[in-house]
Amino acid sequence: KAGVTQTPRYLIKTRGQQVTLSCSPISGHRSVSWYQQTPGQGLQFLFEYFSETQRNKGNFPGRFSGRQFSNSRSEMNVSTLELGDSALYLCASSFSIGGGEQYFGPGTRLTVT
Amino acid sequence: KQEVTQIPAALSVPEGENLVLNCSFTDSAIYNLQWFRQDPGKGLTSLLLIQSSQREQTSGRLNASLDKSSGRSTLYIAASQPGDSATYLCAVVGSNDYKLSFGAGTTVTVRA
Repeated sequence: KAGVTQTPRYLIKTRGQQVTLSCSPISGHRSVSWYQQTPGQGLQFLFEYFSETQRNKGNFPGRFSGRQFSNSRSEMNVSTLELGDSALYLCASSFSIGGGEQYFGPGTRLTVT
Repeated sequence: KQEVTQIPAALSVPEGENLVLNCSFTDSAIYNLQWFRQDPGKGLTSLLLIQSSQREQTSGRLNASLDKSSGRSTLYIAASQPGDSATYLCAVVGSNDYKLSFGAGTTVTVRA
């Protein structure tokens, strides 16, 4: 069974631009969660989607948004990029919502200059 | 707000020694606890998941215990090998909000 895939793997953007990251969950998994990992803050929960609806949200500004499609694939968008948005963005999928075992993708390394 | 702490932040041991990694959390209202491994620049690999009703889980050389009332979990890795070198992260799912809260991790180096 294929694992969680994320594209692109690496991205360099300039302050003020916007970016879209993509995540394809494990086949059959309907829950997709997004996390931001930085050296200073560690791993922080962004949001969780299930059946195309955002079910849970972390404490991030509205510049961070996401969506999920009918095939469970998810995208995350960050608008008006700031230097502090440079991070490894990780996506995880699980079979069920709310506490299911999470399987992580390799991440997208975003660098904002 | 759930706070997850992992001590020590880093650990270096000779090959063959047993590893003991500690995780503590402030809110005992958890749904489950999961241990992950992360290699540099990579995603997370799930190692063990312990439901709140369980006391321990085992997989090969790995054993994780959970004491929900005291807010502690311990990951034991028997007979460490250089390939065990990685950062180990503990994460808890709150039973009220189902959000995953991570510790900062313990970076392990196993010397050959």
